[in-house]
Amino acid sequence: EPEVTQTPSHQVTQMGQEVILRCVPISNHLYFYWYRQILGQKVEFLVSFYNNEISEKSEIFDDQFSVERPDGSNFTLKIRSTKLEDSAMYFCASSAERVGTQYFGPGTRLLVL
Amino acid sequence: KNEVEQSPQNLTAQEGEFITINCSYSVGISALHWLQQHPGGGIVSLFMLSSGKKKHGRLIATINIQEKHSSLHITASHPRDSAVYICAVSDNTDKLIFGTGTRLQVFP
Repeated sequence: EPEVTQTPSHQVTQMGQEVILRCVPISNHLYFYWYRQILGQKVEFLVSFYNNEISEKSEIFDDQFSVERPDGSNFTLKIRSTKLEDSAMYFCASSAERVGTQYFGPGTRLLVL
Repeated sequence: KNEVEQSPQNLTAQEGEFITINCSYSVGISALHWLQQHPGGGIVSLFMLSSGKKKHGRLIATINIQEKHSSLHITASHPRDSAVYICAVSDNTDKLIFGTGTRLQVFP
């Protein structure tokens, strides 16, 4: 069964460093999302992406964040200069339809020291 | 802005019990989702519904659009059902707005 994959599973970085989180969505899906979950808190929406552009972004998704679909299969989330408060689990999701079942990747646990 | 509330926050049950988890939301939606999150963190979609009722195995999800309320039922609960169950809604966009989750523990 097709699944969403994410790499790396864990990443530890120093404050101020750039990180790139990678996702491979399900191949025939058109809608892509990043969410994050700070430890002990609920999952929060970051950004949605369709037709090679951002559809919607949350207040969290400031100028330090960017997304890209560089090669038609990968979907990346870049944090330019990480802060301590960026420590969280980051989930990628994809969907075949605009309002459809979203399939989640296993997550990348990011720790900023 | 849609607010998604779940109850209870924590639930313990004996194996075999019938379980109900409730979700309410504050404004109109295009769809409501029930998801399961296991201790390792992975999130699995269980149901997406916009009206009525859906059933998959021992899981049943219902929604009442007028009352802005949904329930997730688990029949004949089993220890492997232990997880966090999350309600999420799509309002006028496709992003998901998540509730805080219900932590379920089923004991043998």
